[in-house]
Amino acid sequence: KAGVTQTPRYLIKTRGQQVTLSCSPISGHRSVSWYQQTPGQGLQFLFEYFSETQRNKGNFPGRFSGRQFSNSRSEMNVSTLELGDSALYLCASSPGGSNTIYFGEGSWLTVV
Amino acid sequence: QKEVEQDPGPLSVPEGAIVSLNCTYSNSAFQYFMWYRQYSRKGPELLMYTYSSGNKEDGRFTAQVDKSSKYISLFIRDSQPSDSATYLCAMSAEGGSQGNLIFGKGTKLSVKP
Repeated sequence: KAGVTQTPRYLIKTRGQQVTLSCSPISGHRSVSWYQQTPGQGLQFLFEYFSETQRNKGNFPGRFSGRQFSNSRSEMNVSTLELGDSALYLCASSPGGSNTIYFGEGSWLTVV
Repeated sequence: QKEVEQDPGPLSVPEGAIVSLNCTYSNSAFQYFMWYRQYSRKGPELLMYTYSSGNKEDGRFTAQVDKSSKYISLFIRDSQPSDSATYLCAMSAEGGSQGNLIFGKGTKLSVKP
């Protein structure tokens, strides 16, 4: 069974630009969540989607948004990038009805 | 006081040692406890999942939960260089939703051959 797939793995963006990250969950998993990981703050929850609906949202500004498609694939978007957005962005999936989550390898974003 | 506290390390041990990794928490409502292992430049990998108090063993790994002390531990027996990674604890009060998970910041472990 394939794991959680995230693309792209590495990207460099300029301050002010926007970025879209993609996540394909484990087959059969309907819940997808996104996390930001930095050395200083650790893993911070961004948002969770279940059956195309945002179910939970973390404490991040509105520049961070996401969506989920009918096939459970998800995207997150960050607009007007700031230097502080440089981080590892992790997607995780679960079957739904469970808080046991499985992470992808992450997308490394560097903002210059 | 932070909800979940975890000593960041780094923790360095010789191969074959018993490793003890710990997290403390403040929310007495937490009842689901997890340990994740994260290798450098990789995503976290679920190692252990425990509900409520008690011990759970899986090979060389033992997870222990003491709800009265609000303290969880992960023990690694006969540690190997391949165990070198960052270990994250995670916990939540409710099942069913990923948004309720609170993570520790991780302890970096290095096992020297």
